[in-house]
Amino acid sequence: DAKTTQPTSMDCAEGRAANLPCNHSTISGNEYVYWYRQIHSQGPQYIIHGLKNNETNEMASLIITEDRKSSTLILPHATLRDTAVYYCIVRVATGASGSRLTFGEGTQLTVNP
Amino acid sequence: NAGVMQNPRHLVRRRGQEARLRCSPVKGHSHVYWYRQLPEEGLKFMVYLQKENIIDESGMPKERFSAEFPKEGPSILRIQQVVRGDSAAYFCASSPTGGFTEAFFGQGTRLTVV
Repeated sequence: DAKTTQPTSMDCAEGRAANLPCNHSTISGNEYVYWYRQIHSQGPQYIIHGLKNNETNEMASLIITEDRKSSTLILPHATLRDTAVYYCIVRVATGASGSRLTFGEGTQLTVNP
Repeated sequence: NAGVMQNPRHLVRRRGQEARLRCSPVKGHSHVYWYRQLPEEGLKFMVYLQKENIIDESGMPKERFSAEFPKEGPSILRIQQVVRGDSAAYFCASSPTGGFTEAFFGQGTRLTVV
């Protein structure tokens, strides 16, 4: 799986958009970008994933650059409950053959009142 | 997250005892993953199982650790002769297929070895 680089920590004001960057310059053509988050002491939570097109769901938006070497997770209106460690992961979606996600250090996002 | 049940949530064991951690996947999910998170560290993959089969155990310590996912009942992570370094949060995830998109994590079991 391709390696990712994320900032160690970020701050965001409540109600503002949180933009979390991720570099994955060695990503290959069949690798997807996944985002998970872990709120303190809880199990990780799936947020969103994408291959090359931008994606949006009820939680967040994922913007992937045209060369796919970096991406940004956007939380449009951050709340205090979004304070968590955010993990950017790239891997092949192997479907039925199965594979695991390799979690890096992630970005500690702190949303301030 | 709510669908994967792990128990117990907290487990205290003395050095040398056995720890058994249980994971009941979301109903209908036949793929289970176990991860370990040491204090102040990231999540580390341990093992991936399908019903009655171990698919990938490359993250499991070679000794004292074992995992199973029987045809009936929960998946079990078993740690024999626990040591202080085994103190960690152990998370289980389940998915309906091998792909991780639809995987859901449980709330974890926090093992403390005293």
